[in-house]
Formats: sequence, C-alpha cells, structure tokens
Amino acid sequence: GESVGLHLPTLSVQEGDNSIINCAYSNSASDYFIWYKQESGKGPQFIIDIRSNMDKRQGQRVTVLLNKTVKHLSLQIAATQPGDSAVYFCAENTSGTYKYIFGTGTRLKVLA
Amino acid sequence: NAGVTQTPKFQVLKTGQSMTLQCAQDMNHEYMSWYRQDPGMGLRLIHYSVGAGITDQGEVPNGYNVSRSTTEDFPLRLLSAAPSQTSVYFCASSYRRGDYEQYFGPGTRLTVT
Repeated sequence: GESVGLHLPTLSVQEGDNSIINCAYSNSASDYFIWYKQESGKGPQFIIDIRSNMDKRQGQRVTVLLNKTVKHLSLQIAATQPGDSAVYFCAENTSGTYKYIFGTGTRLKVLA
Repeated sequence: NAGVTQTPKFQVLKTGQSMTLQCAQDMNHEYMSWYRQDPGMGLRLIHYSVGAGITDQGEVPNGYNVSRSTTEDFPLRLLSAAPSQTSVYFCASSYRRGDYEQYFGPGTRLTVT
C-alpha cells in the first residue's frame, strides 16, 4: 500500500523514455536474482529473473543486467508507459536455500 | 488458476487479540512462505514451509505460528496481537525453495491498536 513506499527513492521519467533502476545486492554467494514490480495496494509481481551464470537477460520491454564484480543489478525498462508506475525492488537468493533478501525498492513515476 | 489468495484484505485488532490470516494456492507448489512489509524495509520472512507437515522459522518469527496440513493452505496465526505487528502481510509460494520465482498474494493490511 501507499504507506510502504513513503520513504523510497523516486525515479521520475517522461513517458516514452527508457528507465534504469539500480540495485546493490549484499551477498556475494547469491546466484539467483529477481526483479519485482509492486503497484499500490497489491502484492509483488514477478518481472524478470537472472542467474549468476548470465550477465544480461531480456524480456518484453525489460532487460536485467548483472555485474557480479561490484554486486550490482539493474533493470532497464524501454519506452516507459504510465502503467509502469510502481515500486520496483530486487531480490537475491542462494540456490537451494529458502532465504530471499529483498531490497527496499525504488518508486518509478512516469510523467505524461 | 486463482494463484495465491489471501483473506482478509484488511483487519483491525486490539492489543492482545488473536487471529488467523488465511493463505491458499492452487498451483501445487511445495514451498510457501509468509512475509511482512514495513515502510522503508524490504520484505522480511516470518515463517516458511517446504511441504505439508513441514514448517520452519524465518527472520522474524516471534509472535506468529504457522501450520501446513495440506499442500494448498498455509495459515498464519497471531497469538496475542501487539502494535509492533501492524504491517502488510504477504503470502508467497513457489515450485520449490531457492532459485524459482515466488508468486505473491495480494496482501493483508493489519492494524493493531
């Protein structure tokens, strides 16, 4: 809901521009990463995932880049649309374990 | 498929009351989990289950109980509600633990006064 995102960093982009959302992950043993989208009042929704044996993965209008050297993950959204407005956060996991570590998120605002 | 469903969507409790948050999934997933989401913090794992009859504690289990009698259902019980448990609660499931996508329910917003 709205109260969850009160203190989040915000990225504002013009409709039609590309968006880049960044995430620094914490565990060097993590080998699986997910980006989630969370709209106000809803549960997190899977966008795209990537495993550590890859540097880049593309979906529909989205690309995830993984830089293991600096433990950095980014989500690129092409031709950003008003429906992309939401909170985006990353999650990391070590294969075979139950534990996911979730980032706090970035709010994306799409300006018309 | 309905995916992951949660009830209720909203709940207000008084301190000391107990209640059960319901979670069900129809995807035949082995792994189910409960998270809480608080302002400025990432999702935190409360309890999880790797199959019917098997549960374990996550990062913040105190004040909560779970059970998993069937593959489909994974209720979360608040034993004696406290204001610190005011939060949004999400249930999630995945095919198995680890490097598989987790599907989240719509959440329950709980306020404890």
